[in-house]
Amino acid sequence: DQQVKQNSPSLSVQEGRISILNCDYTNSMFDYFLWYKKYPAEGPTFLISISSIKDKNEDGRFTVFLNKSAKHLSLHIVPSQPGDSAVYFCAATDTGTASKLTFGTGTRLQVTL
Amino acid sequence: DTGVSQDPRHKITKRGQNVTFRCDPISEHNRLYWYRQTLGQGPEFLTYFQNEAQLEKSRLLSDRFSAERPKGSFSTLEIQRTEQGDSAMYLCASSYTGTGLRDEQFFGPGTRLTVL
Repeated sequence: DQQVKQNSPSLSVQEGRISILNCDYTNSMFDYFLWYKKYPAEGPTFLISISSIKDKNEDGRFTVFLNKSAKHLSLHIVPSQPGDSAVYFCAATDTGTASKLTFGTGTRLQVTL
Repeated sequence: DTGVSQDPRHKITKRGQNVTFRCDPISEHNRLYWYRQTLGQGPEFLTYFQNEAQLEKSRLLSDRFSAERPKGSFSTLEIQRTEQGDSAMYLCASSYTGTGLRDEQFFGPGTRLTVL
């Protein structure tokens, strides 16, 4: 049972445009959500997070939006840069328990010139 | 470099052999996690430690797998009698938990295991 879903395996965006990566979850106990970026041959790198008490969190070019009623979150990158090309994983956790992360399957973002 | 380190980065072994991986977390971090990632999937939780205590194990962690974290510092993950289905990237992560702090996990580069 896939509790965190990223339905787009890949996304291609032109440099300077907005990248929007989507994530859906099914477990209503999840209350903290994170986005990680992963380059080949490296471990995931933390990007940005959001608590369920918020609906938006912004950090520079990265903004995460959370829609609790729809159990949906999205990561916006604007403007997109070639160095943003990587695999992006959405992750969720129930901080009342162990804080183990449940990951989606990832979206490969390609930012073209 | 004060990040999470893992050793070895790559391991090729024959089916039936035992392998052991090591993870060195960020020094002040009290939690340590092991995840496994297979091709086309996100990382899947295996087990975690708070200091030296192993507090949770996933049902993915069969009895051929054992993890330790002696003295609450580095951790080892051993796989006995490896099978081809064990081929994956094994990721270690660490975090610090404290009052009012979020449990952000920092990942190491992973150990890629290939079982022939």
